[in-house]
Amino acid sequence: GESVGLHLPTLSVQEGDNSIINCAYSNSASDYFIWYKQESGKGPQFIIDIRSNMDKRQGQRVTVLLNKTVKHLSLQIAATQPGDSAVYFCAEISYSSASKIIFGSGTRLSIRP
Amino acid sequence: NAGVTQTPKFRVLKTGQSMTLLCAQDMNHEYMYWYRQDPGMGLRLIHYSVGEGTTAKGEVPDGYNVSRLKKQNFLLGLESAAPSQTSVYFCASNNPGGRYNEQFFGPGTRLTVL
Repeated sequence: GESVGLHLPTLSVQEGDNSIINCAYSNSASDYFIWYKQESGKGPQFIIDIRSNMDKRQGQRVTVLLNKTVKHLSLQIAATQPGDSAVYFCAEISYSSASKIIFGSGTRLSIRP
Repeated sequence: NAGVTQTPKFRVLKTGQSMTLLCAQDMNHEYMYWYRQDPGMGLRLIHYSVGEGTTAKGEVPDGYNVSRLKKQNFLLGLESAAPSQTSVYFCASNNPGGRYNEQFFGPGTRLTVL
């Protein structure tokens, strides 16, 4: 299948522990921030998004935190499972820029049994 | 529903050859996008379309052309392939309303230009 990336930063986590993936973004005028998951050989899959006027949003086993002061975004995955192994991308979208999504470079999450 | 499909899955070209990548979606989405993904990098937007008959340039449009003659199809063309266009190409689609930010991606096309 299609490889995602050979030289991505990697986060190794014990199965059952919580994972925290971090991302720095560039555009302070972005309207939404998004996390995508990409498994080997597949296209990216939407996980969760957060509006720029929020600082926290929770989904099923995932939480996204937004710190606009330092332009930092994080994705927390609770009770990490083997199926969480993937590359995770943060992305930002600005409606004033024709709603184009700008992707970050990605972090590979590796689960230890 | 098949979602977003892409053809072909793999292709090898020689420098200077041309080809067209086809993206099809059966979700009646208005917006469609073409991205490329290089090793160690995130996706970069090549071209996009906000409706049938419309196209617009993205972040890295040079060397590519697109057409959206039918709502369900978005074609990406390379007129004269170069080794720098070796990459994995992803198509995506979504609608401007509802879960606006949720783009649905195809499985990708791996293109190698020799």
